[in-house]
Amino acid sequence: NAGVMQNPRHLVRRRGQEARLRCSPMKGHSHVYWYRQLPEEGLKFMVYLQKENIIDESGMPKERFSAEFPKEGPSILRIQQVVRGDSAAYFCASSARDRAYEQYFGPGTRLTVT
Amino acid sequence: EDQVTQSPEALRLQEGESSSLNCSYTVSGLRGLFWYRQDPGKGPEFLFTLYSAGEEKEKERLKATLTKKESFLHITAPKPEDSATYLCAVQYSGAGSYQLTFGKGTKLSVIP
Repeated sequence: NAGVMQNPRHLVRRRGQEARLRCSPMKGHSHVYWYRQLPEEGLKFMVYLQKENIIDESGMPKERFSAEFPKEGPSILRIQQVVRGDSAAYFCASSARDRAYEQYFGPGTRLTVT
Repeated sequence: EDQVTQSPEALRLQEGESSSLNCSYTVSGLRGLFWYRQDPGKGPEFLFTLYSAGEEKEKERLKATLTKKESFLHITAPKPEDSATYLCAVQYSGAGSYQLTFGKGTKLSVIP
């Protein structure tokens, strides 16, 4: 399967714990985007990364959230000290370097905070 | 303020009953308008990209059109397997032009 891979698909965390979400882009893609889908809301942009660079994190909450895309390995979205309001579906998308307007999405990680 | 508005929120059709979904946008400097299909529990699946007013794209029973203020997704003779939520998204020119701004979607149900 050469599509965008995300894991885990479902993640349950208690309030105060850390959540780590992983995304492997489509083969040949070097740009990664994270979006969040809250219940009854549309998808919202969070952050745009290239290898070892955060290009735009204007959609990221100021505290507790961070993202990285290392030279080797998947992109990671990290949420520290999770709260119930963090419960949502988190989607990763990827694009080719010269076709940033065509973003292909992964299956998402559904985070539930209890 | 919503920049992308989709209507209706939900649409129920009989199999074979053609209809259209609407996506209106209020931003200036449109770089591209995108249609995605999302099935329950899955990620959005890319359908079409439209770049300029007057442009049309087709795929099987779906046809997307674009004007200066809105886009339509026409569904001809739908089948039950077309049931899904259809998402519209826009990209603007300039800074942050790679961000997709999504509408809330239209949930389509096609009844056999």
